[in-house]
Amino acid sequence: ETGVTQSPTHLIKTRGQQVTLRCSSQSGHNTVSWYQQALGQGPQFIFQYYREEENGRGNFPPRFSGLQFPNYSSELNVNALELDDSALYLCASSRISGDNYGYTFGSGTRLTVV
Amino acid sequence: EDQVTQSPEALRLQEGESSSLNCSYTVSGLRGLFWYRQDPGKGPEFLFTLYSAGEEKEKERLKATLTKKESFLHITAPKPEDSATYLCAVQAWNNNDMRFGAGTRLTVKP
Repeated sequence: ETGVTQSPTHLIKTRGQQVTLRCSSQSGHNTVSWYQQALGQGPQFIFQYYREEENGRGNFPPRFSGLQFPNYSSELNVNALELDDSALYLCASSRISGDNYGYTFGSGTRLTVV
Repeated sequence: EDQVTQSPEALRLQEGESSSLNCSYTVSGLRGLFWYRQDPGKGPEFLFTLYSAGEEKEKERLKATLTKKESFLHITAPKPEDSATYLCAVQAWNNNDMRFGAGTRLTVKP
């Protein structure tokens, strides 16, 4: 059983630039959620995708957008990067939307905006 | 609004010294309460899901319990490898968001 893989592991971008982060979900999982984790804080929900449609969104501006592909992999896009976007971005997959068995998280992408 | 508060922020224990971590929550209709372990530089690792008050789950040295307002993660005779940040999260029936607390950073000294 493969886990959740994220790429890249680390990234440095300049303020104002755009970034795309990628996630391959665990085999058999069809739901992907994205979280932002600032240093010393718990993860914050960005949005969730189920069957290629956005299925819930947290309190993040529209410059945070996403995609889910037919193979259930996913992308997180962030436009017009700001310094406060520096964080660990986590992708989590589960079998169905709202799976109570707990999400499987990837190791994350560490984004630094300078 | 759903809220999760974890205490203490940090906890230092000697190997073998048992203790408990607290997670207080408010949620509009609890679908599930989750405990995760997170090691530095890694994603959270799933430990338990609790669904209703009175429920308990165990895994090795860890035991999670749930009431209508809080959950406890009891650590019995911890070892240095139990050192990590422990995160609590709740999910409500009316959305797909898992709301996390800030975590408890546990250090177990040999």
